[in-house]
Amino acid sequence: NAGVMQNPRHLVRRRGQEARLRCSPMKGHSHVYWYRQLPEEGLKFMVYLQKENIIDESGMPKERFSAEFPKEGPSILRIQQVVRGDSAAYFCASSQQGSGNTIYFGEGSWLTVV
Amino acid sequence: EDQVTQSPEALRLQEGESSSLNCSYTVSGLRGLFWYRQDPGKGPEFLFTLYSAGEEKEKERLKATLTKKESFLHITAPKPEDSATYLCAVRWGGSQGNLIFGKGTKLSVKP
Repeated sequence: NAGVMQNPRHLVRRRGQEARLRCSPMKGHSHVYWYRQLPEEGLKFMVYLQKENIIDESGMPKERFSAEFPKEGPSILRIQQVVRGDSAAYFCASSQQGSGNTIYFGEGSWLTVV
Repeated sequence: EDQVTQSPEALRLQEGESSSLNCSYTVSGLRGLFWYRQDPGKGPEFLFTLYSAGEEKEKERLKATLTKKESFLHITAPKPEDSATYLCAVRWGGSQGNLIFGKGTKLSVKP
């Protein structure tokens, strides 16, 4: 009964390095979402993907951030040249095909930039 | 302008003291209102989905209701293990399928 799997759970990067966060959706789910949660703030939508296709990236910062969901393998959120302001919890979620379906979340990846 | 507003921000209850959390929304074309529970250091855990005004869902001590402008999460006779942050989110006609979240209500239940 595997849920949404994220790794790593915790990641420390120095300023200027790259961070790669991985997400495997629940079995049978073909839609993946990435959200960011800053301290004392709510969850903010970043990007919505299907296999090999970005559906909505309206919440993604214009620079340094990218996401993919390849035909094979997990979805990856990539942050280049990290800055201290990127420190946050990054949550991946997944749902079945169809916009009316429930979105289930993983346990999150906590990025700390030092 | 916030599209999803939760109140109160924090709520302290004694064990057994029933109360309600509020989630008001201003989006048009609601396609679902979702309640999640989040424990510290964990991801949001799905509780309920409501789709139309008048709909109600129940699970153990929790009951969620929906009107055209807001949703309530009623907690009956809470226990300390109900302590968590409760998140409300909406999916609306202008979104591609993603959710807009409120900032949450942090509930503390003291024994």
